[in-house]
Amino acid sequence: TQLLEQSPQFLSIQEGENLTVYCNSSSVFSSLQWYRQEPGEGPVLLVTVVTGGEVKKLKRLTFQFGDARKDSSLHITAAQPGDTGLYLCAGRFMKTSYDKVIFGPGTSLSVIP
Amino acid sequence: EAQVTQNPRYLITVTGKKLTVTCSQNMNHEYMSWYRQDPGLGLRQIYYSMNVEVTDKGDVPEGYKVSRKEKRNFPLILESPSPNQTSLYFCASSGVAGGPSDTQYFGPGTRLTVL
Repeated sequence: TQLLEQSPQFLSIQEGENLTVYCNSSSVFSSLQWYRQEPGEGPVLLVTVVTGGEVKKLKRLTFQFGDARKDSSLHITAAQPGDTGLYLCAGRFMKTSYDKVIFGPGTSLSVIP
Repeated sequence: EAQVTQNPRYLITVTGKKLTVTCSQNMNHEYMSWYRQDPGLGLRQIYYSMNVEVTDKGDVPEGYKVSRKEKRNFPLILESPSPNQTSLYFCASSGVAGGPSDTQYFGPGTRLTVL
C-alpha cells in the first residue's frame, strides 16, 4: 500500500512570514500534484510536477519535486491571509493497466493578519 | 462552462437503504474517479475509470460499486450503506489526451450521512 505523508498537519503563522510544507513517500510517482481546498469546496489544482528535480513557481508559491520523484515541497513566501486553506499533495501512479492517485492527509494553513 | 457536477449535494439516509450519487462531466474526459474525504485522512480513492466500461478499485472500494456506461457519467452506488460510510464524497475527472500531468477537476462534493 502506497502512503503519502505531509508535514506539518497544522500551521498558523503571521502575515508576511515564509513557510514550507513537505510531502514524503517511499514510493516513486509518475507525477505529483499540489491542491488547495477551501471549506465546502472541492480541491483545486495548483501545480503538477513530473520530472525529478523539477521546480515550478506560481507567484509567491514555489514547488519542488525530489530528484527520486518520491517527495515534494511547497514553499510560500510572504504569506497572505488569502493563502489560508487546506493544502493537499497527491501522487499519481500510471501504468498501461492502471492509473491510481493517492492523497496526503493535508496541511491546514492559517495566516493571521 | 467546463465542470463536474454531483447530485445530491447533501444526503441523510438510513443503514441499508440503497443509494446512488451521480457524477457528470462535460469536458470529454476519459478518466473519472471517486474519493471520500474524512478528517485527518485526506482524500482516499474509492474507484476510478480509465474509459467507458473500464473501472478499477482504488484504496477503499469496499461497500461501493461504480459503472461507466457513458463517457460523461460515473455514478457511485452504495448497495447497503452503513454508518462508517458517512463522509464527504468527491467526483473528479481528467485527461482528454491522458498523461501524468493532466489536471484533475473536482466536483463540489456530496456530504453523506448514514444513520
